[in-house]
Amino acid sequence: RKEVEQDPGPFNVPEGATVAFNCTYSNSASQSFFWYRQDCRKEPKLLMSVYSSGNEDGRFTAQLNRASQYISLLIRDSKLSDSATYLCVVNSWRSYIPTFGRGTSLIVHP
Amino acid sequence: ETGVTQTPRHLVMGMTNKKSLKCEQHLGHNAMYWYKQSAKKPLELMFVYNFKEQTENNSVPSRFSPECPNSSHLFLHLHTLQPEDSALYLCASSQEVGQGGTGELFFGEGSRLTVL
Repeated sequence: RKEVEQDPGPFNVPEGATVAFNCTYSNSASQSFFWYRQDCRKEPKLLMSVYSSGNEDGRFTAQLNRASQYISLLIRDSKLSDSATYLCVVNSWRSYIPTFGRGTSLIVHP
Repeated sequence: ETGVTQTPRHLVMGMTNKKSLKCEQHLGHNAMYWYKQSAKKPLELMFVYNFKEQTENNSVPSRFSPECPNSSHLFLHLHTLQPEDSALYLCASSQEVGQGGTGELFFGEGSRLTVL
């Protein structure tokens, strides 16, 4: 089993749609969780950290379920500019080396 | 301004050339990383340095040689590369969770390498 798994997609949705991505992780000692966004031919950029209580930033909501070992990202009212690859990243307390998922591709069309 | 600067941004080299990629971080982080990303492929971790010591070499061919002279600078020396080594090379830094950081990775903009 891969350490961090994501559905690669692509998720193809119309503008205004709500879309959700899940990411599962295998290391129960994982402590830090992040969603990154990567545009084509660019570096990944932090979208949001994921906290135990869940957190929201505008149209984006991240949730953590430690019991089931998954995190999720919900995007409401999708914009064309949301088209990108979304990377799930997990860190354990004992390792400073983050583990990346392979990414989920999102395409928002008019 | 990401705090992580990579040079050059673009590099074209022949298979017999020797070149180096440079990365500099101004964030006071203890860990620095080299990643490779080929077209439409996921990120591949190459090397990790923690407090200037190499702690990870992810089965990278010896034609890639990293150097970390201090905790702010990281180099990737390239020699006798192959065309399949053409990719985006990304440098990143982070502050370890156990060292008062969050573990968040900060990436440079990358060096796009083409090997002819």
